[in-house]
Order: sequence, then structure tokens, then C-alpha cells
Amino acid sequence: DVKVTQSSRYLVKRTGEKVFLECVQDMDHENMFWYRQDPGLGLRLIYFSYDVKMKEKGDIPEGYSVSREKKERFSLILESASTNQTSMYLCASRPTSGAEQFFGPGTRLTVL
Amino acid sequence: DAKTTQPTSMDCAEGRAANLPCNHSTISGNEYVYWYRQIHSQGPQYIIHGLKNNETNEMASLIITEDRKSSTLILPHATLRDTAVYYCIAIINTGTASKLTFGTGTRLQVTL
Repeated sequence: DVKVTQSSRYLVKRTGEKVFLECVQDMDHENMFWYRQDPGLGLRLIYFSYDVKMKEKGDIPEGYSVSREKKERFSLILESASTNQTSMYLCASRPTSGAEQFFGPGTRLTVL
Repeated sequence: DAKTTQPTSMDCAEGRAANLPCNHSTISGNEYVYWYRQIHSQGPQYIIHGLKNNETNEMASLIITEDRKSSTLILPHATLRDTAVYYCIAIINTGTASKLTFGTGTRLQVTL
């Protein structure tokens, strides 16, 4: 079975802190995604990557950056966390030849 | 991606079939219909997808109308564990990084 893991289920940070969210997938998928999910707004794409060291902006990249140094790992970085970045963050992966995206369990981030 | 419209919520008795409708009247010829679900506090889970033919797998069946303007996801024997938010998405499956845009979905409540 495909497994997508995220470094933390729950995280509490303070405003201005640098935050790293890690995502690892074990199925050699080329494509990886970071979304955030907020009540009433559904799932919104922050960044995605279709290959190592490649990244593309999604719909809401402002305030975020990403890193993909290895195929299995895709990191989301909040350079200076703000309270409006309090959200559920979901990572997903997908093979180029496949149809569906496989999601991790999510990280619920609270910025105080 | 074509806009999809789903009812906000539905109830279903355990053991009965759950039929979840989705309208996608502006769908284009190369857009697939995908269904995901999200159980509370978990990441979304892929269920099924189709282009124009009806599809069935171990989780569900997907019925797409002949004009492709609507579809129905069928859970043949709903259980309490099927209580979740169900998302219908129309998306081009380009084989590269296809992003998903989830709306607010249908909240299915399965009851005893």
C-alpha cells in the first residue's frame, strides 16, 4: 500500500517562528503536493512538485516555500509564521502514470 | 477544471445504498470525474474515477450520464464507517501534476 507520512499530527508555533512541515512517501511517486484545508474553503493547493528540485506554485503560495531535495520527501516551509496560517496542512503524492492522489494524515498547525 | 455541484448533506441508513449525486454540466470531453472522501480528522481518500463509462471497484460504483453532465457515486451497502465528506471533482488527467480543487462536498451521515 502507498504510504504518505507527515512529521507531526499537531503542531503549535508562535508568530514569527520558522516552521518546517515534512512529508515522506514510500512509493517512488514523481508528483507531490501541499494543500491547506480550512472550514468553508475546501482544499487549496499551496505548492506542488513533479520532480526532484522542481517546484510549481499552486493557488495560494504566498507566505510559503517548499523544498524537494529527494524524490520521497517534500517539505513545506513557513518562513515567518502568522496567525492566518493556522490550518490543516495536507500532503499528497501521485505517480505520473497514475490517476489518484494519496494523502497523508494531515498536520493541524496552530500559530499563536 | 469544470465546476461541480453537490448537495451539502445527506443521510443514509446503515445497510442501504447511498447514492451521492454530482452535477458537472460544463465538463469538457477530456475531463475525468473523480471521487474522494474525507473521514473526520483524516486526509482525503481516493474512491473511484471515470471518463464516460460506468465504473465499479471494491469501494463503490460510479454512474456517469450519457451526456456526462452529471454522475452518481453509489456505496452499495453503507456502514457507519462510510460517514464522511464526499468530494466530486472534474479534472483533466494529463499524466503530469494534476492539482485537485476540492469544494465543500457532501457530508454523508450513515445512521443505525
